[in-house]
Amino acid sequence: ETGVTQTPRHLVMGMTNKKSLKCEQHLGHNAMYWYKQSAKKPLELMFVYSLEERVENNSVPSRFSPECPNSSHLFLHLHTLQPEDSALYLCASSAYSQGQPQHFGDGTRLSIL
Amino acid sequence: LAKTTQPISMDSYEGQEVNITCSHNNIATNDYITWYQQFPSQGPRFIIQGYKTKVTNEVASLFIPADRKSSTLSLPRVSLSDTAVYYCLVGDIGGSQGNLIFGKGTKLSVKP
Repeated sequence: ETGVTQTPRHLVMGMTNKKSLKCEQHLGHNAMYWYKQSAKKPLELMFVYSLEERVENNSVPSRFSPECPNSSHLFLHLHTLQPEDSALYLCASSAYSQGQPQHFGDGTRLSIL
Repeated sequence: LAKTTQPISMDSYEGQEVNITCSHNNIATNDYITWYQQFPSQGPRFIIQGYKTKVTNEVASLFIPADRKSSTLSLPRVSLSDTAVYYCLVGDIGGSQGNLIFGKGTKLSVKP
């Protein structure tokens, strides 16, 4: 139990589908993150939210749309994905202050048909 | 952005001490050094974090020399369950965390 819960754990979708990934944390953190981990590649930071406002967007394609309605919840809305988007999507949270490490969920394994 | 260099893989046997060294030559004054462990199909787990000298917790020790250009994660008496990928990260955790870059990590294989 990491304190960060991601649902669903597995998702298979077609390229024309629309789906959403959900992340929830009960650690009292005020920053949340989305990462992408492709096979045999390092984790790639996609989005950073602090106090529910986006502070980083590392040139992620617009087919990925994040939403952070409050400090405990984070969503990643997906639409018109490509096969190369198949990956493990990880959510993390932390206190947004110096010296505070990130806590990760166990991810959503996404497969695009 | 401070980049890190670590061995791609390491092998060890149960009961041995394992030391994984990470190089970070351009570490900045505000940067912390953080190590994570990741098992297949799971998210990374925080192991230990330090700024200088030595830090020890219940699972590992972190040694940081005075120049802070490298760090060594020490895992005492490893077991088969310690087989995982270990990541060294260097960054200013305060402020924007967008500068925390995960490298390829070190794949540790513990054998019986």
